[in-house]
Amino acid sequence: QSALTQPPSVSGSPGQSVTISCTGTSSDVGTYNRVSWYQQPPGTAPKLMVYEVSNRPSGVPDRFSGSKSGNTASLTISGLQAEDEADYYCSLYTSSSTVVFGGGTKLTVL
Amino acid sequence: QLQLQESGPGLVKPSETLSLTCTVSGGSISGYFWSWIRQAPGKGLEWIGYIYYSGSTNYSPSLKSRVTMSVDTSKNQFSLNLSSVTAADTAVYYCARLHCSSASCYDTYWGQGALVTVSS
Repeated sequence: QSALTQPPSVSGSPGQSVTISCTGTSSDVGTYNRVSWYQQPPGTAPKLMVYEVSNRPSGVPDRFSGSKSGNTASLTISGLQAEDEADYYCSLYTSSSTVVFGGGTKLTVL
Repeated sequence: QLQLQESGPGLVKPSETLSLTCTVSGGSISGYFWSWIRQAPGKGLEWIGYIYYSGSTNYSPSLKSRVTMSVDTSKNQFSLNLSSVTAADTAVYYCARLHCSSASCYDTYWGQGALVTVSS
């Protein structure tokens, strides 16, 4: 089973940019564009923010962008706002057609 | 707008079977994959598995021996059974619609979640 590693926490001030990383291996993240990102504010269900590494669903602000370099996918939030404070999870659709989630990253807006 | 709603007992005794149903409204269950994901208190998301509307399934290797999913297209519902539960199965259980393209699969619509506590 693949494993995705995320930093436990990141923080930034309003207006700044923050980047959350999601590291896998050359066999999964490094080879396929199958990473998605979810935002989960406290007490709510997750919401899809990015799919297939860098695509945004309609309605998601363009302040949220996804990218990949080598075995690491990243979610960048620019122009940070107080409402962005939430837990963020990366997810991988594996070559076995299963799904694995990263451990999650808590974003604090200072 | 597609909506999903989990329902089922909020309290289950150890060693018994946890049963949840997800009712889909605002769209048809046919033609799509449907997921179950859970989140233990204060912890991260854990994928449980998914079912296609036709009934084919794919489960998490770590839960496979205890999980059964089913679908009822006439009621626009799908269900999760998790057997031999312990306190470690206490979690908020989410149902979601899994969208699959030629490149990947990802959960687009989520239910609000149902808290299930395992306790005697």
